[in-house]
Amino acid sequence: SQKIEQNSEALNIQEGKTATLTCNYTNYSPAYLQWYRQDPGRGPVFLLLIRENEKEKRKERLKVTFDTTLKQSLFHITASQPADSATYLCALDHSGGGADGLTFGKGTHLIIQP
Amino acid sequence: GAVVSQHPSWVICKSGTSVKIECRSLDFQATTMFWYRQFPKQSLMLMATSNEGSKATYEQGVEKDKFLINHASLTLSTLTVTSAHPEDSSFYICSAVTGANVLTFGAGSRLTVL
Repeated sequence: SQKIEQNSEALNIQEGKTATLTCNYTNYSPAYLQWYRQDPGRGPVFLLLIRENEKEKRKERLKVTFDTTLKQSLFHITASQPADSATYLCALDHSGGGADGLTFGKGTHLIIQP
Repeated sequence: GAVVSQHPSWVICKSGTSVKIECRSLDFQATTMFWYRQFPKQSLMLMATSNEGSKATYEQGVEKDKFLINHASLTLSTLTVTSAHPEDSSFYICSAVTGANVLTFGAGSRLTVL
């Protein structure tokens, strides 16, 4: 069966360090992968999208990699700040196109400690 | 940027009553909106795709008579939880496509059924 795995345990990182979150998937061949940020009691907010033919994508302090051979995406936040504390969700497109084909992982709760 | 407004942000109701949640696209038109449900520490689960001017498409296992969706205009979709029961208590979130396969989410509605 299709699965998206994100580390369900909270990730504690010291302020200023790089936080790395992992998204692994099985039995998918996604055309693209997305990362969203979700704060408690709020809806997710889109951060980055990376396509299957892209190895890496950057946006300010954020970097996403996508390895279709390993079936894994890594999400990095450099120079992390307490304000980066949130739950980060990865989402895969499994329909070949269209946002209705997005399936979300459970998310990883990131805590940046001052 | 595009904004999706969701109302109410939280609602408490008695078992057996119906609750309506509104999702509006501000400054853009959304022919398609999506409704998700999220339980604590769980992933977003797509409930249905709301299509302006036509019937909603429900995901497997979601009761269409229980969760009524109406998308009467290009800027408004509503979700009505009919005869709500405590097990319907959850966080309901709507979204619309605002970029190439990118979703913009509402802030969510916390439903508590007593």
